Amino acid sequence: NAGVTQTPKFQVLKTGQSMTLQCAQDMNHEYMSWYRQDPGMGLRLIHYSVGAGITDQGEVPNGYNVSRSTTEDFPLRLLLAAPSQTSVYFCASSKRGTPLNEQFFGPGTRLTVL
Amino acid sequence: RKEVEQDPGPFNVPEGATVAFNCTYSNSASQSFFWYRQDCRKEPKLLMSVYSSGNEDGRFTAQLNRASQYISLLIRDSKLSDSATYLCVVNFIGNTPLVFGKGTRLSVIA
Repeated sequence: NAGVTQTPKFQVLKTGQSMTLQCAQDMNHEYMSWYRQDPGMGLRLIHYSVGAGITDQGEVPNGYNVSRSTTEDFPLRLLLAAPSQTSVYFCASSKRGTPLNEQFFGPGTRLTVL
Repeated sequence: RKEVEQDPGPFNVPEGATVAFNCTYSNSASQSFFWYRQDCRKEPKLLMSVYSSGNEDGRFTAQLNRASQYISLLIRDSKLSDSATYLCVVNFIGNTPLVFGKGTRLSVIA
């Protein structure tokens, strides 16, 4: 299994541009989520999904959209990039359970918005 | 509000030392607890789950105190390779997202 994969690894955008960060997992996990990590702020949840066709907002959803058309993929879209979105983005997945089980993280995407 | 609080450190300890981290959480109904490890410029990875009875994995011991709402991680005989940031993670209610603390940075020095 490849686990959780993310592309691209690095990206530089100009303010106002849009882009999609890709995330895929091959573990048949129902639960997927996107986090951003900034120095001194820890991991903050952007959006998450408990299954195909279902998404919900996390702590910091503004400026980001997500969709979950398949179990495997959970792309994150930045519609109008802003310098405040400069961060490291991690995608994670886990098998659905109560309580929630271990989350597996992708290697991250380092995004810089100029 | 769901909060997980950790001392950010850094903890600078010599090789062979014993070091302990604590973490407090805000919701007494929290259901599951974890310690994750994150190396510099890498993704977080599960170090160990934390069970009510406490659990040990080699040099690492995790304990949970529900009455006081804190979790601890003890590392014995520290190695240089233990240098990392340790994240305290809590699942507050059922199938809701995990909440991560900001992490405690550990540097083990030769």
